[in-house]
Amino acid sequence: GAVVSQHPSWVICKSGTSVKIECRSLDFQATTMFWYRQFPKQSLMLMATSNEGSKATYEQGVEKDKFLINHASLTLSTLTVTSAHPEDSSFYICSAREGRGTSAYGYTFGSGTRLTVV
Amino acid sequence: AQSVAQPEDQVNVAEGNPLTVKCTYSVSGNPYLFWYVQYPNRGLQFLLKYITGDNLVKGSYGFEAEFNKSQTSFHLKKPSALVSDSALYFCAVRPLMDSNYQLIWGAGTKLIIKP
Repeated sequence: GAVVSQHPSWVICKSGTSVKIECRSLDFQATTMFWYRQFPKQSLMLMATSNEGSKATYEQGVEKDKFLINHASLTLSTLTVTSAHPEDSSFYICSAREGRGTSAYGYTFGSGTRLTVV
Repeated sequence: AQSVAQPEDQVNVAEGNPLTVKCTYSVSGNPYLFWYVQYPNRGLQFLLKYITGDNLVKGSYGFEAEFNKSQTSFHLKKPSALVSDSALYFCAVRPLMDSNYQLIWGAGTKLIIKP
């Protein structure tokens, strides 16, 4: 089945530094990539939607200059948290949608990245 | 506003008993419906989906869900619960009119299966 590889699975960084999270679709082309943030014991909060080769569409309240999303190819999307602060500490999850075939109805999730900013 | 409701924050079931995790939605048209499971510090795993056809959908790990159009519900069920089913379960809906293919998420239900 479809697999999305998300790295790193966890990262600790100092306040003020930047962190890049990668999501790769291993056996399909991710036409659309979704980036979520999840707070403890809460549901997923959609941060942005990106289509390959286009600028990401950010949800209201999400700072596009802080959370940089790149979806330059059909198999790779990255989320960079710039000038990270402790309040950015969270669990980040990517989700990929393949644009063709029966899997067009499905969404494949990465395993998530636990970011801790100290 | 379109929404998905999972009315129970937590469901407790004894091992071997049947389980039900409830989901109702308020979305225009006939949406696609999904169930996902999340284990601690992990991403989401797909369980099952309803697109069209038979109202009873069978999915992974012995789970099934019944689509009820009149009640706009999509409850997740399993005839006999296992301790390993303990996890966080999310119901999600994709409105057909959403050209961005975004999902609307329920708040999640923590399922605890006791031995």
